[in-house]
Amino acid sequence: AQRVTQPEKLLSVFKGAPVELKCNYSYSGSPELFWYVQYSRQRLQLLLRHISRESIKGFTADLNKGETSFHLKKPFAQEEDSAMYYCALKVNYQLIWGAGTKLIIKP
Amino acid sequence: KAGVTQTPRYLIKTRGQQVTLSCSPISGHRSVSWYQQTPGQGLQFLFEYFSETQRNKGNFPGRFSGRQFSNSRSEMNVSTLELGDSALYLCASSLRGGGRNEKLFFGSGTQLSVL
Repeated sequence: AQRVTQPEKLLSVFKGAPVELKCNYSYSGSPELFWYVQYSRQRLQLLLRHISRESIKGFTADLNKGETSFHLKKPFAQEEDSAMYYCALKVNYQLIWGAGTKLIIKP
Repeated sequence: KAGVTQTPRYLIKTRGQQVTLSCSPISGHRSVSWYQQTPGQGLQFLFEYFSETQRNKGNFPGRFSGRQFSNSRSEMNVSTLELGDSALYLCASSLRGGGRNEKLFFGSGTQLSVL
């Protein structure tokens, strides 16, 4: 069965420290993975896609098929990064979501 | 370009009633999908429509239904409401829905409370 696991419900780090939000997936096919973010009082929005290999707001995520992981990383956290982060797997026109990780950046 | 618009923003209903939620996608987007968000279950897929055809449906009872109109606007309906249907219902649109790497744009959601 397809599944996305985000093991941390809450992650709290100091400003300037590195951040890593974990995401593991279970899928037998070629995965299509995304990170979405929801800032306070804002809509859910796309942060980045694995296929694009892009860096958005300093965040990157690398697909590791051997470990079935798609962890989100940022070398130096900023206070404005505080938000809810969701990892999602696209299968057959739907997104399968992880439970989300609430990231808090302490000043 | 206007974003995805969902109406109403808030709804309060009682058990046994039915409710209809509306979603207007971004102009030019033909795929609309619906998600239910609750604190306990997180985000769960309800259904996806493209050109008025439902292409996929999540694991929800038949009380949950939807449709899409020729202008791509979509509605979802929940009949015989139960307390457990209280949730934030999110609508998302995209150009085609099936495109690889395709980005979803989300609405602000409709917060449904069932009393």
